[in-house]
Amino acid sequence: DQQVKQNSPSLSVQEGRISILNCDYTNSMFDYFLWYKKYPAEGPTFLISISSIKDKNEDGRFTVFLNKSAKHLSLHIVPSQPGDSAVYFCAARGFRTGKLIFGQGTTLQVKP
Amino acid sequence: DSGVTQTPKHLITATGQRVTLRCSPRSGDLSVYWYQQSLDQGLQFLIQYYNGEERAKGNILERFSAQQFPDLHSELNLSSLELGDSALYFCASSISGGALDEQFFGPGTRLTVL
Repeated sequence: DQQVKQNSPSLSVQEGRISILNCDYTNSMFDYFLWYKKYPAEGPTFLISISSIKDKNEDGRFTVFLNKSAKHLSLHIVPSQPGDSAVYFCAARGFRTGKLIFGQGTTLQVKP
Repeated sequence: DSGVTQTPKHLITATGQRVTLRCSPRSGDLSVYWYQQSLDQGLQFLIQYYNGEERAKGNILERFSAQQFPDLHSELNLSSLELGDSALYFCASSISGGALDEQFFGPGTRLTVL
């Protein structure tokens, strides 16, 4: 039972363009959503998050959008840079729990 | 560097064996989490400890067990290993284990079961 899904295993984007990574979830009890970035041979690192009471959160080049009715969130990276090339995981957290439910990840490649 | 350390980095063993993975949380963090990442899968939450006590349990097999010691380091014990247990095992830590805490991940232990 995959409660958090990232349906695109990979994405390739040209440097300077926008990268859009998508994530769908099934459990309406999730109240907090996070994006993690992972480089090879390293653990995931926190990138940006959004509470379920918001529909947008922005941090520099990174913006996360949440559409609760569609149970969908997306991460926008503008402009994309080669250093952004990594695996991006979407994660959701249930109400009052620290347990994270992760998607399968999307490998982003930003070409110079 | 997240401040979370995991040993060993790589582990190769045979089916039926038992292994122990070790995690040291960031200085000051009281809570430890264990996650398993199998091939082409996201990270699956296994178990969480806070200050030595189990706080939450996820999809952890009965063959797996964990504990957190008084010095706050944690160990994940995997026994009667099967081929399907081959995966990356990540440890994360947070200050208090609360829902709003940021979790900091270690680099992982890659387990290969032959």
